[in-house]
Amino acid sequence: EDQVTQSPEALRLQEGESSSLNCSYTVSGLRGLFWYRQDPGKGPEFLFTLYSAGEEKEKERLKATLTKKESFLHITAPKPEDSATYLCAVPSNYGGSQGNLIFGKGTKLSVKP
Amino acid sequence: DTEVTQTPKHLVMGMTNKKSLKCEQHMGHRAMYWYKQKAKKPPELMFVYSYEKLSINESVPSRFSPECPNSSLLNLHLHALQPEDSALYLCASSQDRSPDTTQYFGPGTRLLVL
Repeated sequence: EDQVTQSPEALRLQEGESSSLNCSYTVSGLRGLFWYRQDPGKGPEFLFTLYSAGEEKEKERLKATLTKKESFLHITAPKPEDSATYLCAVPSNYGGSQGNLIFGKGTKLSVKP
Repeated sequence: DTEVTQTPKHLVMGMTNKKSLKCEQHMGHRAMYWYKQKAKKPPELMFVYSYEKLSINESVPSRFSPECPNSSLLNLHLHALQPEDSALYLCASSQDRSPDTTQYFGPGTRLLVL
């Protein structure tokens, strides 16, 4: 069964304290891994798509990396405005659900000034 | 521009009301989606339209009725909802239904059923 697991569930950082969020997945034939940021009460905002192991993408203080089993979202010198829930998703390869996004439960990041 | 718009932003309705949620995109995307999201949970897929045709209905109760009038618009008609249907309803679009295409989400409609 296709599955996405994110850890930790919640992460509290001081401003400037770098860290990483993890997304591990089990899906046969990865067709892409998507990272989104979601603020409370708002829709997910697209951040990155990664397609193959070894791929890396960066945007401001965020850097996403991909291996054959997991992806990391590295946050360098975070600021309070980086506080949000970060969601990871992969497309399913399972039967009638093929192509549907399977979301992890998210990591809620809080950055204190 | 990767904007998906949704109206209204907030909606309060009684269990006997009929209301509609609207979604619009002008990116030329040919796949559009409705998701439901409860508090502290990830989005759950409800419906998928591909080239204006319903391709996936994830066993959603008939009190939710989707409609795709054209390639840019997606509606969700609501009738006789239950309090447990209160949630954030998200619309998304993507270039097509290929698994490797990115889905872009709208800001959502916060629905409260009394």
